[in-house]
Amino acid sequence: DAGVIQSPRHEVTEMGQEVTLRCKPISGHNSLFWYRQTMMRGLELLIYFNNNVPIDDSGMPEDRFSAKMPNASFSTLKIQPSEPRDSAVYFCASRPSSRGRGYTFGSGTRLTVV
Amino acid sequence: GNSVTQMEGPVTLSEEAFLTINCTYTATGYPSLFWYVQYPGEGLQLLLKATKADDKGSNKGFEATYRKETTSFHLEKGSVQVSDSAVYFCALEKGAGGGSNYKLTFGKGTLLTVNP
Repeated sequence: DAGVIQSPRHEVTEMGQEVTLRCKPISGHNSLFWYRQTMMRGLELLIYFNNNVPIDDSGMPEDRFSAKMPNASFSTLKIQPSEPRDSAVYFCASRPSSRGRGYTFGSGTRLTVV
Repeated sequence: GNSVTQMEGPVTLSEEAFLTINCTYTATGYPSLFWYVQYPGEGLQLLLKATKADDKGSNKGFEATYRKETTSFHLEKGSVQVSDSAVYFCALEKGAGGGSNYKLTFGKGTLLTVNP
């Protein structure tokens, strides 16, 4: 089991550029979550999917953010255009369908927008 | 709605000291409870869990008991090590209806620093 795989690990981009973060969940897990972590706001849930369908995107900060899950083994979080205040660590997590198992988190993508 | 309140840090201890990080929750019914740990530069890792009242979760010397009567899930360790320095998150999992649309609600995290 390779765990939840995120790429890239680090991303530095200029303000106004498009950024795409990628996530491969654990095989067999049917729910996927995108989180953002900053010192100021802590850990924030942005969006989550159940069986590839977005269930709750109320945490997505604004229209510049979008997330897709075209199949059970891949998800993307896109920011277009990026802004310095988007600088954070973005985590992806996945979870199996059975209750009480908790989430498995990826190692995160550290995004810096300059 | 569901919520988790954990003690604010930072917590600074000397090696071999006793650790308690308090966690209380608000939720209807019987949520599952978790402690996650985040080491510097890494993602969150599941440390331990309990899925019903009076269950005790344990791992790596850490323990927490699911107390329904006090709605608490305090994390304890008898003798901390420098390598335990990390951020600790308490969380609850509660379902919405009878389906699988349940998710974790996290506390704000407690930074623990253990000095040699």
